[in-house]
Amino acid sequence: EPEVTQTPSHQVTQMGQEVILRCVPISNHLYFYWYRQILGQKVEFLVSFYNNEISEKSEIFDDQFSVERPDGSNFTLKIRSTKLEDSAMYFCASRVQTSGANVLTFGAGSRLTVL
Amino acid sequence: AQKVTQAQTEISVVEKEDVTLDCVYETRDTTYYLFWYKQPPSGELVFLIRRNSFDEQNEISGRYSWNFQKSTSSFNFTITASQVVDSAVYFCASQMNRDDKIIFGKGTRLHILP
Repeated sequence: EPEVTQTPSHQVTQMGQEVILRCVPISNHLYFYWYRQILGQKVEFLVSFYNNEISEKSEIFDDQFSVERPDGSNFTLKIRSTKLEDSAMYFCASRVQTSGANVLTFGAGSRLTVL
Repeated sequence: AQKVTQAQTEISVVEKEDVTLDCVYETRDTTYYLFWYKQPPSGELVFLIRRNSFDEQNEISGRYSWNFQKSTSSFNFTITASQVVDSAVYFCASQMNRDDKIIFGKGTRLHILP
């Protein structure tokens, strides 16, 4: 069964460092997402991406965050200067366009620990 | 505004008992979609079910069943004859038809005790 692949599974970084989280969505999917889950809390929407541009972003997704799809397969989330509060599990998701239902397939997540 | 409320933060039941996880949603749209996801201790998000607002038929899948009631804006999830492997956090989620994203509730942590 096709799956969304995320790397790394766990990254530890120092505060202020740049981090890039990578995702390989399912090959025929057109819509891509990043969600964040702080430990023990809810899964929060960060950003959606379609046709090589951001289609929607939440208030969490400030200027420290950026996304891109540099080579048509990888979908990356960059955090420019990490803060302690960026420590969380980051989930990538993708979907194929269907009329109506929006079933997202999630990756296994990348755990980010900022020290 | 779109909102999903899971009032039960944590539930513990003994194995083989039935358990119902509550979900109440708010939406302005007449067309919307509701979901349940499971997050086991390993951390991934596992899709369980999607239901659209025009389909109020309840659904059963093995030991899992879902009760969608538009009159009370609820989409409750019941596990029959629970097993230890059902221990996980369960998230209810919604999406408005004209929107691009899924919004999650805070989740219910379910402990099935042997």
